[in-house]
Amino acid sequence: DTAVSQTPKYLVTQMGNDKSIKCEQNLGHDTMYWYKQDSKKFLKIMFSYNNKELIINETVPNRFSPKSPDKAHLNLHINSLELGDSAVYFCASSPGQLLAKNIQYFGAGTRLSVL
Amino acid sequence: QQPVQSPQAVILREGEDAVINCSSSKALYSVHWYRQKHGEAPVFLMILLKGGEQKGHDKISASFNEKKQQSSLYLTASQLSYSGTYFCGTEIGSGNQFYFGTGTSLTVIP
Repeated sequence: DTAVSQTPKYLVTQMGNDKSIKCEQNLGHDTMYWYKQDSKKFLKIMFSYNNKELIINETVPNRFSPKSPDKAHLNLHINSLELGDSAVYFCASSPGQLLAKNIQYFGAGTRLSVL
Repeated sequence: QQPVQSPQAVILREGEDAVINCSSSKALYSVHWYRQKHGEAPVFLMILLKGGEQKGHDKISASFNEKKQQSSLYLTASQLSYSGTYFCGTEIGSGNQFYFGTGTSLTVIP
């Protein structure tokens, strides 16, 4: 069984559309994250949730809204998609909130292409 | 606040050694190292928590100089399987600020 799974793996859509990416982890971890990796391979943290509570919220457009229905799931909804949103989005999880002592486990990524 | 890694890219022959550096402009609480193979997710290598701490497994090791706000990753006797992009991740403060570095592409050729 995959520890951190994301769906879909690929997402191709038109500008202006709204889309969602789902993430689930079966590791029993308390903390989940969303990262964006652009074409230059820069990995940037977007959000972090600990037990369904938002703890890291980097400066991202408010078109991006994370939702955590329970601690095993963290979904990402994107409104009014723009060309610049094209990237690979990674979900990750770690056992606890304190990053210092926690390894992050990454999902396989969702490649989003906005046309 | 994103840490800067050097070099940006390096090509090695099997058996050669490499050093990847990670520098931050802010004081660091910890440094993490991850490797990402092409088309795959980043995978954890190691965490360093204290200044001066060194860790390693197999032929990959790392050091953390807290005063200089730097960490280095050492790959010795490189193997083809070491190819990928290496990222340092730096924790600033105590848990709520985390940034991955700019990445270093490492290619090992026969």
